[in-house]
Amino acid sequence: GDSVTQMEGPVTLSEEAFLTINCTYTATGYPSLFWYVQYPGEGLQLLLKATKADDKGSNKGFEATYRKETTSFHLEKGSVQVSDSAVYFCALSGDSSASKIIFGSGTRLSIRP
Amino acid sequence: NAGVTQTPKFRILKIGQSMTLQCAQDMNHNYMYWYRQDPGMGLKLIYYSVGAGITDKGEVPNGYNVSRSTTEDFPLRLELAAPSQTSVYFCASSEGQGGNQPQHFGDGTRLSIL
Repeated sequence: GDSVTQMEGPVTLSEEAFLTINCTYTATGYPSLFWYVQYPGEGLQLLLKATKADDKGSNKGFEATYRKETTSFHLEKGSVQVSDSAVYFCALSGDSSASKIIFGSGTRLSIRP
Repeated sequence: NAGVTQTPKFRILKIGQSMTLQCAQDMNHNYMYWYRQDPGMGLKLIYYSVGAGITDKGEVPNGYNVSRSTTEDFPLRLELAAPSQTSVYFCASSEGQGGNQPQHFGDGTRLSIL
């Protein structure tokens, strides 16, 4: 079945460092791909999404490109801030109308001032 | 904008007690979901609903029940609380299912069974 594998955390970086969180997926057909963010004490929020191969999703300085050839959707940010400290979830949804979202296990990111 | 509202935010139960976790959304979404998130883990789907009067099991439905009498509300019931049900519970809704439909989440209910 469909699945998502993401980089294990925790990841600790200094402010202004470059961030990459790896995400790969297994799916049939042409899934849509998402990154969700969960700030402490809150629910998940959609960060960005991409719905077809080579699409780039972007929001709040974060980017991820849908790479079908490598079945990947890595999250990147050029210069992280302390406020980016959160748990990040990669997710996919199949192209069928009956598909539900499948979430990765999450990557905890901590940014040092 | 209220979005998805969950109550209560925190609750402690004794083993064998029952309770209902409330979830309401004001976006007129047909699809609603209940997840549990165990420490350091991802989300596991408990139950979902594709519209009023229609519910279906997810990945981990045992020990839970749901109902969907209105579009807005999707309560989750624990009949006989067990320590294994200690978790954070999230309700979510979406306009559709599949494809590029993102889900909107509540802030969660943190439940401890002692």
